[in-house]
Amino acid sequence: TQLLEQSPQFLSIQEGENLTVYCNSSSVFSSLQWYRQEPGEGPVLLVTVVTGGEVKKLKRLTFQFGDARKDSSLHITAAQPGDTGLYLCAGGRYDYKLSFGAGTTVTVRA
Amino acid sequence: DTGVSQNPRHKITKRGQNVTFRCDPISEHNRLYWYRQTLGQGPEFLTYFQNEAQLEKSRLLSDRFSAERPKGSFSTLEIQRTEQGDSAMYLCASSPPVETQYFGPGTRLLVL
Repeated sequence: TQLLEQSPQFLSIQEGENLTVYCNSSSVFSSLQWYRQEPGEGPVLLVTVVTGGEVKKLKRLTFQFGDARKDSSLHITAAQPGDTGLYLCAGGRYDYKLSFGAGTTVTVRA
Repeated sequence: DTGVSQNPRHKITKRGQNVTFRCDPISEHNRLYWYRQTLGQGPEFLTYFQNEAQLEKSRLLSDRFSAERPKGSFSTLEIQRTEQGDSAMYLCASSPPVETQYFGPGTRLLVL
């Protein structure tokens, strides 16, 4: 049983469309990280959020940490084929272990 | 490139053989982690080092698995008497004393 539930599991959209990926848990996290992973490669860090209600923007990507620090979302504006990949959220709880969700596979069609 | 490196990138072995993987963390990071990832799942925590001390091992890490970080720099993960169920991507990550972890490219293991 994974501590973090990600939805949807798969997402396929046309280039230029917007998308949102969700990461939910019943547990409180001290921080939450989002990673993108390509096939056969390790996860690449996108962002870390640590404060409830925090919003961070990275070009066309917007990350939000829930007020209660139990959930997070990733919104991509005007998606491009280069955004294709597996998006993983991972929560930390004041210790050294990260608990990962199962990921959302995003495909952006040209 | 000053990121986390892992070797080999791919390993194919026969059931019953021993394998060893190496991880070189980002040089100033004192924390090092090993995770395992199977198809369709997120990475799962295996073990953690702070400097040379191994501070926790997951119950996923059976007696056939051993990890070392002898001088607080690189780390090795050894699997003895490999089984087909060990086939997975083995990921190493490192961090300074904060929660953000940086991952290497992984070692993909296939046990035939």
